[in-house]
Amino acid sequence: DADVTQTPRNRITKTGKRIMLECSQTKGHDRMYWYRQDPGLGLRLIYYSFDVKDINKGEISDGYSVSRQAQAKFSLSLESAIPNQTALYFCATSDSEGSTGGRGNEQFFGPGTRLTVL
Amino acid sequence: ELKVEQNPLFLSMQEGKNYTIYCNYSTTSDRLYWYRQDPGKSLESLFVLLSNGAVKQEGRLMASLDTKARLSTLHITAAVHDLSATYFCAGGGGTSYGKLTFGQGTILTVHP
Repeated sequence: DADVTQTPRNRITKTGKRIMLECSQTKGHDRMYWYRQDPGLGLRLIYYSFDVKDINKGEISDGYSVSRQAQAKFSLSLESAIPNQTALYFCATSDSEGSTGGRGNEQFFGPGTRLTVL
Repeated sequence: ELKVEQNPLFLSMQEGKNYTIYCNYSTTSDRLYWYRQDPGKSLESLFVLLSNGAVKQEGRLMASLDTKARLSTLHITAAVHDLSATYFCAGGGGTSYGKLTFGQGTILTVHP
């Protein structure tokens, strides 16, 4: 079974619709992240959460919101989708500092959600 | 704010040849990560470099970190087709409170 799962894997929607992308993990990690990937731009951080009560904006949070429902679940919402939010979205998890067995803040990625906004 | 730049962005190699991907970063980063992404797939962690002078090797890939020069390299030895993928470096973690900043990625194609 995959350690980090994302649903849906693909989604096509229309401008103005509300969309929720979900992420679940069985790695027992405290930290979770949402990124978007666009060709030629690498990955850019949208939001991150270091525990259930901690939510932080990343580099490109405008137009997005998140919810950390439990240690294992972190959802990303687009309240009113627009075409330039068409991208590949990744969820990632990592352990806390000092508890990674010498691997720093190594992040583990889900399979991604391909979102198209028409 | 940490900025990470990779070069080259596109790399076409012949099988059997050697090459290096460079990753420069703009401010202090006490750790550097390398990831691989196959087309349509997720990112797979390759290397975690946690200190100046760190060198890690796995098969035909070797990564190093020079924190004074703010430079990490990913060296490919005797390339094979299976290494064709996109490679990302990412800096941060640690004093960046766990956040990673990714480079643009290097698309590597290995051909006969």
